Amino acid sequence: EIVMTQSPATLSVSPGEGASLSCRADQSVGNKLAWYQQRPGQAPRLLIYGASSRATGVPDTFSGSGSGTEFTLTITSLQSEDFAVYYCQQYYNWPRTFGQGTKVDIK
Amino acid sequence: QVQLVESGGGVVQPGRSLRLSCAASGFSFSSYGIHWVRQAPDEGLEWVASIWYDGTTKYYADSVKGRFIISRDNPKNTAFLEINRLRVDDTATYFCAKEAREWEMTEWLGPWGQGTLVIVSS
Repeated sequence: EIVMTQSPATLSVSPGEGASLSCRADQSVGNKLAWYQQRPGQAPRLLIYGASSRATGVPDTFSGSGSGTEFTLTITSLQSEDFAVYYCQQYYNWPRTFGQGTKVDIK
Repeated sequence: QVQLVESGGGVVQPGRSLRLSCAASGFSFSSYGIHWVRQAPDEGLEWVASIWYDGTTKYYADSVKGRFIISRDNPKNTAFLEINRLRVDDTATYFCAKEAREWEMTEWLGPWGQGTLVIVSS
């Protein structure tokens, strides 16, 4: 099983500032990495697939980078709706595994 | 548009069984794999099971293997997750999600349903 580790667990950011979230795999997953956003009380929503491709309807304030074992989700100029929990997930092999999540809250 | 609606959750006693449903619309259901992911209260996401578009291949997390059964009824555009010998630690919201690509299970999870809550308690 591939273990996904996200850091930090919580990130406190002021509205309008940027944020960088990290996701690390304990073995290479190539670019088979997705990011999901989960707002309180809602289902997860796909943001990024293939490590760096934005899903339909995702604003360009979100960007993904990395390959192999190190990945980053960058959010520029956080808006109120961006304060949420973010999960990375590898789909390189089975079982599919998620990171434990990074909560982005208002500073 | 793509829509997935889960149902079948509720309060159940330990040791009992439950079958969750995932009703799909807005896409060619029989062409896409389906995933189930659960989330315990105030916890992260845990992938549980997946089934190919034609039901021939299924995958399970080790934590549920032998107790959970994933299945689908393509003519009815519905997927199922049967949970047997329920345990307190099965308490969670269960989401179904669509595989991103047709005919494959090699990609990310596409649209998700809103989830159905299962509470296991005596």
